[in-house]
Amino acid sequence: DAEITQSPRHKITETGRQVTLACHQTWNHNNMFWYRQDLGHGLRLIHYSYGVQDTNKGEVSDGYSVSRSNTEDLPLTLESAASSQTSVYFCASSERARGKAFFGQGTRLTVV
Amino acid sequence: DQQVKQNSPSLSVQEGRISILNCDYTNSMFDYFLWYKKYPAEGPTFLISISSIKDKNEDGRFTVFLNKSAKHLSLHIVPSQPGDSAVYFCAAIGQGAQKLVFGQGTRLTINP
Repeated sequence: DAEITQSPRHKITETGRQVTLACHQTWNHNNMFWYRQDLGHGLRLIHYSYGVQDTNKGEVSDGYSVSRSNTEDLPLTLESAASSQTSVYFCASSERARGKAFFGQGTRLTVV
Repeated sequence: DQQVKQNSPSLSVQEGRISILNCDYTNSMFDYFLWYKKYPAEGPTFLISISSIKDKNEDGRFTVFLNKSAKHLSLHIVPSQPGDSAVYFCAAIGQGAQKLVFGQGTRLTINP
């Protein structure tokens, strides 16, 4: 069965360190997204990609970057982790923009 | 600027009764709406959607109603079951856009 997986599931890192969260999907979807979930804010879009070599900023992109070198993967990098980036991160993919998105299980990141 | 708003952070309903979750939006360009359900430690999963050309869509116990003039949609769950206890997110997308905008979520608790 096709799926979307995130790793690691949990991560604790120190302020100032670079961190990369992995996202891998086997749906062969062109569209991939990174969201963060915070209490009171719901799901906020960080970065998204419509295909290989395409990346776009979402509403809360400061301090984050992504790259898309193949269809399956969209890693999210925190250049210099800050305590404000402590959150739960979700990766998602979709075949069509106006169709449903499939989400990974999430990565809980704590920056200390 | 929160374009999709779920003003009730939580809702408690007795098992067997109707659960009504509400969502308001401000962007008149939104024309497709989705509801996602999220259990703890899992990613959101698609529940039901509705296009702006309709005012109602049903799927089993779940019905979504859309009032375009009021920029309001609601999700009805009848009858409510304990397994429906989760966080529900409303999401919207506009013509030509490829990314969903999510609300803050409503935590639904079904009491036995």
